[in-house]
Amino acid sequence: RKEVEQDPGPFNVPEGATVAFNCTYSNSASQSFFWYRQDCRKEPKLLMSVYSSGNEDGRFTAQLNRASQYISLLIRDSKLSDSATYLCVVNMEYSSASKIIFGSGTRLSIRP
Amino acid sequence: NAGVTQTPKFQVLKTGQSMTLQCAQDMNHNSMYWYRQDPGMGLRLIYYSASEGTTDKGEVPNGYNVSRLNKREFSLRLESAAPSQTSVYFCASKQEGNQPQHFGDGTRLSIL
Repeated sequence: RKEVEQDPGPFNVPEGATVAFNCTYSNSASQSFFWYRQDCRKEPKLLMSVYSSGNEDGRFTAQLNRASQYISLLIRDSKLSDSATYLCVVNMEYSSASKIIFGSGTRLSIRP
Repeated sequence: NAGVTQTPKFQVLKTGQSMTLQCAQDMNHNSMYWYRQDPGMGLRLIYYSASEGTTDKGEVPNGYNVSRLNKREFSLRLESAAPSQTSVYFCASKQEGNQPQHFGDGTRLSIL
């Protein structure tokens, strides 16, 4: 089983739709969680951190479910500019620089 | 704000040539990383440096060497480039603890 797993997609949704992605992780002791977006041939950019209580940033909502070991990202009122690959990132050890695991990404395409 | 700066942005090499990719960050981060990303694939960790003066192998270190010159700079060297090393290379840095990584905008390297 992969340490971090994401549905690769692609998700193809109309503009204005709500879309949600999940990401599961294997290590129950994982410390911190992030969502990044990556545009084609560009660097990953931090979208948002994921906190235990859940957090929202405009149209984006992130949730953490420690019991079931998954994080989620919800995008409301999707825009054409939201088309990208979304990467789930899990930091599995607080004190280690190396245990940062990237999911393979979920591709999202927003159509007009 | 410069963040993480990578040079060069693009490079074409012939098989057997050597080259050093440069990375510098101005955020006073302790940890720095080198990743490669191949088309349609996720990020793979080549080497990382948890702090100035230390370096460690990641998932795919063969064919590469690194130097943590000081706290700001972390370079990646290809001693004898091979076509299999054609890829996009990303440098990243982070502060210790539950902090996200910040990425440079990548070096696109082609080995002929």
